Amino acid sequence: AQSVSQHNHHVILSEAASLELGCNYSYGGTVNLFWYVQYPGQHLQLLLKYFSGDPLVKGIKGFEAEFIKSKFSFNLRKPSVQWSDTAEYFCALEGSARQLTFGSGTQLTVLP
Amino acid sequence: NAGVTQTPKFQVLKTGQSMTLQCAQDMNHEYMSWYRQDPGMGLRLIHYSVGAGITDQGEVPNGYNVSRSTTEDFPLRLLSAAPSQTSVYFCASGGLAGGLYNEQFFGPGTRLTVL
Repeated sequence: AQSVSQHNHHVILSEAASLELGCNYSYGGTVNLFWYVQYPGQHLQLLLKYFSGDPLVKGIKGFEAEFIKSKFSFNLRKPSVQWSDTAEYFCALEGSARQLTFGSGTQLTVLP
Repeated sequence: NAGVTQTPKFQVLKTGQSMTLQCAQDMNHEYMSWYRQDPGMGLRLIHYSVGAGITDQGEVPNGYNVSRSTTEDFPLRLLSAAPSQTSVYFCASGGLAGGLYNEQFFGPGTRLTVL
């Protein structure tokens, strides 16, 4: 079985603060990892993905994530958040059988 | 390109009624899938398809049927709606080159309420 844990359910930051959202996964084999974002009233969009190679991946809008295999983690980071980053963020894992497993999501609120 | 389209946007059903949620994509993607999104639970995979004529179950398939007669369409059928099926339903599609997909594209969602 494969699973994804996002322990931060709601994060509140002021503009210009740095962001790190945690994502841990459970799966015994090779994984593909993703971060998706859902802005208010919109559908999910891909922020970034990790398939192989450099464990530090860069995505859109200044986001990046680091895959640490020994810690089963794929944390999302951004050095300076903006009000427009207010959204719900989902970590997702593809392990076996072409199935994508999502975490429960982290709601980010950025105060102006 | 319209991308992934879903109809209807909103639907209210009574317990026991049946209905079909429509999903279509115009990107010639092999892979299509249905998820339900519930507060605090993220998205959970209901059914998926890797091509026309091929479907398989995801994490929460009970109470739902799918078929894939064409590459473009992947309808989700609720056979006998229950209040536990109140949720937001998302359809997604993606190419299958190099693994599962390079990116899944999500539709705008259908908000379903079962009374």
